[in-house]
Amino acid sequence: EAQVTQNPRYLITVTGKKLTVTCSQNMNHEYMSWYRQDPGLGLRQIYYSMNVEVTDKGDVPEGYKVSRKEKRNFPLILESPSPNQTSLYFCASRGTDYEQYFGPGTRLTVT
Amino acid sequence: AQSVSQHNHHVILSEAASLELGCNYSYGGTVNLFWYVQYPGQHLQLLLKYFSGDPLVKGIKGFEAEFIKSKFSFNLRKPSVQWSDTAEYFCAVILYNQGGKLIFGQGTELSVKP
Repeated sequence: EAQVTQNPRYLITVTGKKLTVTCSQNMNHEYMSWYRQDPGLGLRQIYYSMNVEVTDKGDVPEGYKVSRKEKRNFPLILESPSPNQTSLYFCASRGTDYEQYFGPGTRLTVT
Repeated sequence: AQSVSQHNHHVILSEAASLELGCNYSYGGTVNLFWYVQYPGQHLQLLLKYFSGDPLVKGIKGFEAEFIKSKFSFNLRKPSVQWSDTAEYFCAVILYNQGGKLIFGQGTELSVKP
């Protein structure tokens, strides 16, 4: 089954404690991206990757890092999380038809 | 700056009522447009998309959308909603001049009363 997986699905952490949210897709897609979803703001792109070893900032990259060492994986790293990063995060991959496939989401709470 | 606007933030309807959700975009180039749906607690799923051709696009679950280029609009419609349509709906546009970036509207929460 074609899918995008994310882990963990739920995470509660404290300010400053580094965390990584993993993302993996099995569709051999080149393009992957991370979004955060906040009430009233829709989805905003954090980072994207056109292909392996190529990443670039989206609209709200501050406080986040990404890496793309393999085509299938695109982890999101928060080196020093802060409460304003409490949000719902989605990873997505995109096929050649520009349709995006979303992961199940990771609900992050930073206290 | 390019943007997508969804005018209705929260819509409440009774079952069998007709639905129309507004979506306008500000982008002068070639556009491809999407509507995504997010059921409670779930991830986004594609409802329908417009790339070219017939501006009236039919999607899953009886939804359709009409692309009106002169009005920069891509409104979503359904003749008769069901309780199971309760969800959040997002309009999105691809910006080809930014590497195919997808820009989302703010979302419209639809509540259907049984």
